[in-house]
Amino acid sequence: DSGVTQTPKHLITATGQRVTLRCSPRSGDLSVYWYQQSLDQGLQFLIQYYNGEERAKGNILERFSAQQFPDLHSELNLSSLELGDSALYFCASSVARGWGTDTQYFGPGTRLTVL
Amino acid sequence: AQKVTQAQTEISVVEKEDVTLDCVYETRDTTYYLFWYKQPPSGELVFLIRRNSFDEQNEISGRYSWNFQKSTSSFNFTITASQVVDSAVYFCALSDPRGTQGGSEKLVFGKGTKLTVNP
Repeated sequence: DSGVTQTPKHLITATGQRVTLRCSPRSGDLSVYWYQQSLDQGLQFLIQYYNGEERAKGNILERFSAQQFPDLHSELNLSSLELGDSALYFCASSVARGWGTDTQYFGPGTRLTVL
Repeated sequence: AQKVTQAQTEISVVEKEDVTLDCVYETRDTTYYLFWYKQPPSGELVFLIRRNSFDEQNEISGRYSWNFQKSTSSFNFTITASQVVDSAVYFCALSDPRGTQGGSEKLVFGKGTKLTVNP
């Protein structure tokens, strides 16, 4: 158990809908990362938040957005869903001390199926 | 741009065999970090090891060992006396500082190697 929690574990929805994925980082970790794992694209970085502020953006679609709240949990919002958005979405957290590169610990993932 | 190549898509071995998973990376940075993660059939990503670019010492942890060679840009992973429980997809990853601020750079992952250990 990495200490990172993600809910829900599975999500099935229809095209055009909007969903919210939730992540709670490990105790003491200030940084949260979101990754998408799909069969064709593999594991891809989406976005990072550090202590409530956006720090880095990757290949995140405009239909997707995220935020990190004062209690450090994070939510990833996916809207106008398309079939191609079906994937496993991971949240990871790290201490982010400001130097070097910290290890990112991953949650169990949320499997999103868009029908 | 940062790139990680895991040329072996799938490997199948019989229990107790040794197996090496290859990882080749590309980066122009002089300081970087390399990682290995394991994804068992249950789906979670489990951290195995982190190595920085200044530490080329090989590492052994139980049945696992890692061979980091900057001269060939490789960071290979060997499992000795493999077991059925080692069956998983293994990912090699490289830190990418581009577009991030201070620590905890995003990770660039290889496509993964699916290891099947048969009894």
